[in-house]
Amino acid sequence: DGGITQSPKYLFRKEGQNVTLSCEQNLNHDAMYWYRQDPGQGLRLIYYSQIVNDFQKGDIAEGYSVSREKKESFPLTVTSAQKNPTAFYLCASSIEGRLSEELFFGEGSRLTVL
Amino acid sequence: AQKITQTQPGMFVQEKEAVTLDCTYDTSDQSYGLFWYKQPSSGEMIFLIYQGSYDEQNATEGRYSLNFQKARKSANLVISASQLGDSAMYFCAMTSSGSARQLTFGSGTQLTVLP
Repeated sequence: DGGITQSPKYLFRKEGQNVTLSCEQNLNHDAMYWYRQDPGQGLRLIYYSQIVNDFQKGDIAEGYSVSREKKESFPLTVTSAQKNPTAFYLCASSIEGRLSEELFFGEGSRLTVL
Repeated sequence: AQKITQTQPGMFVQEKEAVTLDCTYDTSDQSYGLFWYKQPSSGEMIFLIYQGSYDEQNATEGRYSLNFQKARKSANLVISASQLGDSAMYFCAMTSSGSARQLTFGSGTQLTVLP
């Protein structure tokens, strides 16, 4: 089945540690995105990539980093510089990143900083 | 900059009845797209319906329809014949030509369908 796989589903981290969230898609989509969701709020864009080896910052990129070395993979690293990293993280993809395209989402990764 | 406003934090509807979830938007771009997504308690976001700013007819997808009123900048979601499985969080979102295709989300409406 085609789709987006995020791992791990739950992750606990101590303060000061970096952590990497995995996102893999087998939909052959060009564009991929990372969103953050806090309780009772909508999604906010962290980073997006419309092509391999290229990515752009979203609204809340500080404290995060990404890479896009392969079309199907878009990992997100939450660094120790992110002041409030506890949140639900959603990865998404779309065919080409055009205006009218729906986003396909993974099931999310819930990060808790202890 | 673009902005989405959903003023109903929570809504209740009786099973088999219709419900309207409100969404207003703000953008200075002429070309934009409006989306509705559903988020069940499992967390995954599910695409429901899309309306382009130049589309003259309201979008429909099965039991979902989008009441698009361009002059009022509103894009309300109508769910007909509600089912228990419709209980979820619903998000309105938009993207525009001036936003580098970034999808901006509203804060969501929690819909509960009562048996």
